[in-house]
Amino acid sequence: DAGVTQSPTHLIKTRGQHVTLRCSPISGHKSVSWYQQVLGQGPQFIFQYYEKEERGRGNFPDRFSARQFPNYSSELNVNALLLGDSALYLCASSLGRSLYNEQFFGPGTRLTVL
Amino acid sequence: SQQGEEDPQALSIQEGENATMNCSYKTSINNLQWYRQNSGRGLVHLILIRSNEREKHSGRLRVTLDTSKKSSSLLITASRAADTASYFCATDAAAGNKLTFGGGTRVLVKP
Repeated sequence: DAGVTQSPTHLIKTRGQHVTLRCSPISGHKSVSWYQQVLGQGPQFIFQYYEKEERGRGNFPDRFSARQFPNYSSELNVNALLLGDSALYLCASSLGRSLYNEQFFGPGTRLTVL
Repeated sequence: SQQGEEDPQALSIQEGENATMNCSYKTSINNLQWYRQNSGRGLVHLILIRSNEREKHSGRLRVTLDTSKKSSSLLITASRAADTASYFCATDAAAGNKLTFGGGTRVLVKP
């Protein structure tokens, strides 16, 4: 079985632009979570979606939004990019609704904002 | 802000030695998980310990949890060069659906 996949692998954008990151969960997993990891720090929780509904949200501005599709894949959108948005964006999937289940992470998308 | 804080921030040991790292958190939790990350890529789940458990083992890993002190420790015994990675604790608060990671411990195992 394939693991969690994310696209693109790397991305370079300029300030003010918009970006869309994509995630495909492990087959059968209905929960997808998004995390931002700035270099040298731990991942910070952005969103969790379960069965296409938002179930959790971290302390991120409204420039960050996400959605989950009927096939349980997900997109993370970031508008009006700032230099501080440069980070590794990680997606994780799990079987159940709760985040205290084991999370399976994808390899991440490295976003650089110039 | 990050609920969990790992200590030490970095650790350098020789192959075959044990590595111990600690995690402290602030609010009541349901569970605590430990993850490993190699070279800034995806995280790999290592072990989960529930709030009503005090100790758990998985292979060369031993995790303890002290809810009265709001702390956990991860012990890697007989370390190998392949254990070189960053290790993160993650907690899910008893209130609210959110997974919070600490800042991580960077472990270097020298052959």
